[in-house]
Amino acid sequence: NAGVMQNPRHLVRRRGQEARLRCSPMKGHSHVYWYRQLPEEGLKFMVYLQKENIIDESGMPKERFSAEFPKEGPSILRIQQVVRGDSAAYFCASSPPLDTQYFGPGTRLTVL
Amino acid sequence: AQSVSQHNHHVILSEAASLELGCNYSYGGTVNLFWYVQYPGQHLQLLLKYFSGDPLVKGIKGFEAEFIKSKFSFNLRKPSVQWSDTAEYFCAVNLRPGNTGKLIFGQGTTLQVKP
Repeated sequence: NAGVMQNPRHLVRRRGQEARLRCSPMKGHSHVYWYRQLPEEGLKFMVYLQKENIIDESGMPKERFSAEFPKEGPSILRIQQVVRGDSAAYFCASSPPLDTQYFGPGTRLTVL
Repeated sequence: AQSVSQHNHHVILSEAASLELGCNYSYGGTVNLFWYVQYPGQHLQLLLKYFSGDPLVKGIKGFEAEFIKSKFSFNLRKPSVQWSDTAEYFCAVNLRPGNTGKLIFGQGTTLQVKP
């Protein structure tokens, strides 16, 4: 049973470009969570999605960030017009409803 | 706001020493509690979890944790560490009832075990 998949593992963008991070949940998991880890900090919740629905986006920055989890395909975290402060590790986790979350390997975003 | 505190940011131990990592949370209601570990270059893995029942929880690789409700604590322990336990350890909480399942993480504790 494959675990949570994230790609790319490393992403380099210049300021002002767009970043797209993908997450494929574990088989049978219908819930996806995105977290961000800034240098020297713990993980911070960003958004919680079920298929075609955003359930909780209380941790998402109000501008430039968006997330989706379509009926088919992976969940996407999209960052428009990236800035240096967006450099971080972005982790995706999946779970059955209200159960233990299993994490992917993360995407390390570097903004030049 | 709810938060999770891990008091030890960096711990250095020799092999066979005993380990205790502190974790406290600030929330007056019911919680689910987790410890995750991140080995160098790898993703977060679940060590153990507490939802209800026996407050002493046993996890993988000889780790255990005790939930003390009166102290809002969920400390992680291992009687004898190995070099392979070198990793970063994260305590996490999610809140009940009515929660969306999101985890609130502590800042993490880096454990370095010297051979």
